[in-house]
Amino acid sequence: GAVVSQHPSRVICKSGTSVKIECRSLDFQATTMFWYRQFPKQSLMLMATSNEGSKATYEQGVEKDKFLINHASLTLSTLTVTSAHPEDSSFYICSAIRDSNSYEQYFGPGTRLTVT
Amino acid sequence: GEDVEQSLFLSVREGDSSVINCTYTDSSSTYLYWYKQEPGAGLQLLTYIFSNMDMKQDQRLTVLLNKKDKHLSLRIADTQTGDSAIYFCAEDSGGYQKVTFGTGTKLQVIP
Repeated sequence: GAVVSQHPSRVICKSGTSVKIECRSLDFQATTMFWYRQFPKQSLMLMATSNEGSKATYEQGVEKDKFLINHASLTLSTLTVTSAHPEDSSFYICSAIRDSNSYEQYFGPGTRLTVT
Repeated sequence: GEDVEQSLFLSVREGDSSVINCTYTDSSSTYLYWYKQEPGAGLQLLTYIFSNMDMKQDQRLTVLLNKKDKHLSLRIADTQTGDSAIYFCAEDSGGYQKVTFGTGTKLQVIP
């Protein structure tokens, strides 16, 4: 199978601090990883597309300076929420694609961020 | 932009069939997908259909695609309590490997 992990699964932080979320593909190399945000009872919103070794491509309306994405290796992408505010509280999910010809995204279990 | 709509909630009795519907606006999709999300978890791909197909069956799952009406449905036969989850349809008209998700349908299976 293709397993994607996220760490941490839950995090609570104070307003103004930064939080890093890791997304790892455990048994395959991911050419592309995606970061999504899911609000309660709402669909997933794509935040950015991350390719190893290059800058992430952000969707319209997503602040790249607030949501820093680093895809340093073929198995790891990180999302850092900088200067977090309560409105950043959400469920963040990453996904990874095994190769450039693949249609299937493998999703991580998600990270619940609560900013107090 | 793309718009993918689903009804929010569906309740069925165990053993009955469930039909989850989805409508979309962009006709340039290559693939359309159904994902399942259990509480507090990520998404699991259930099945997908290529845009030039009308139907795909995979064990208890049947996907129907009506391209003219831009309507996609997922039928789950003999629904079980373990099928309780949120189901998302998705399509990839936004670009290769980039999908747009529907609003999600919460399926509740009553024992």
